[in-house]
Amino acid sequence: GQNIDQPTEMTATEGAIVQINCTYQTSGFNGLFWYQQHAGEAPTFLSYNVLDGLEEKGRFSSFLSRSKGYSYLLLKELQMKDSASYLCAVTDPRLSNTGKLIFGQGTTLQVKP
Amino acid sequence: DSGVTQTPKHLITATGQRVTLRCSPRSGDLSVYWYQQSLDQGLQFLIQYYNGEERAKGNILERFSAQQFPDLHSELNLSSLELGDSALYFCASSVESSPNYGYTFGSGTRLTVV
Repeated sequence: GQNIDQPTEMTATEGAIVQINCTYQTSGFNGLFWYQQHAGEAPTFLSYNVLDGLEEKGRFSSFLSRSKGYSYLLLKELQMKDSASYLCAVTDPRLSNTGKLIFGQGTTLQVKP
Repeated sequence: DSGVTQTPKHLITATGQRVTLRCSPRSGDLSVYWYQQSLDQGLQFLIQYYNGEERAKGNILERFSAQQFPDLHSELNLSSLELGDSALYFCASSVESSPNYGYTFGSGTRLTVV
């Protein structure tokens, strides 16, 4: 199966940069997703990485290293509204032709003024 | 509004009861997914349907069942409810059966079992 590890909580200052790490088992891999979830709301899709390297999308970037089973989400110019939980997820290698995702427990980011 | 509609938004029921959660996918989406989110478990995949057929199954309890109807809406039935079933239940949808662009979640149904 897949085990996904993320830090439970992080705190950062408004305007700063924060990096949220995610590690996963490398036994089969078809892609890694990042979702943002505000408390009590639906997760919203942020990024998808299937190849090594950095994908930039505005203030958010996501990096993947398949050989290391490692990804990070980089948030720049932090805003108060970025306070949320950030979920790392991978496709289930046993069900590669389905949309099943295995989610980490999420990292709760608190942005302070 | 994500385009994925879940009803009801909140549900309070007693142990032993049965409830039905409903999901209407975004227009044009053929795949529907159900996830359970509790405080200690995080987001857990329950089941996926694609164009009316079951596509993938997670650790869904035998007390739970789901189906996708010809109009592509889906229902998740939870029976013999226990206190531990209290959670947020999310539905998501996508066009393809294995999307690489992420899928869209509904706003969820918060189930409280008392």
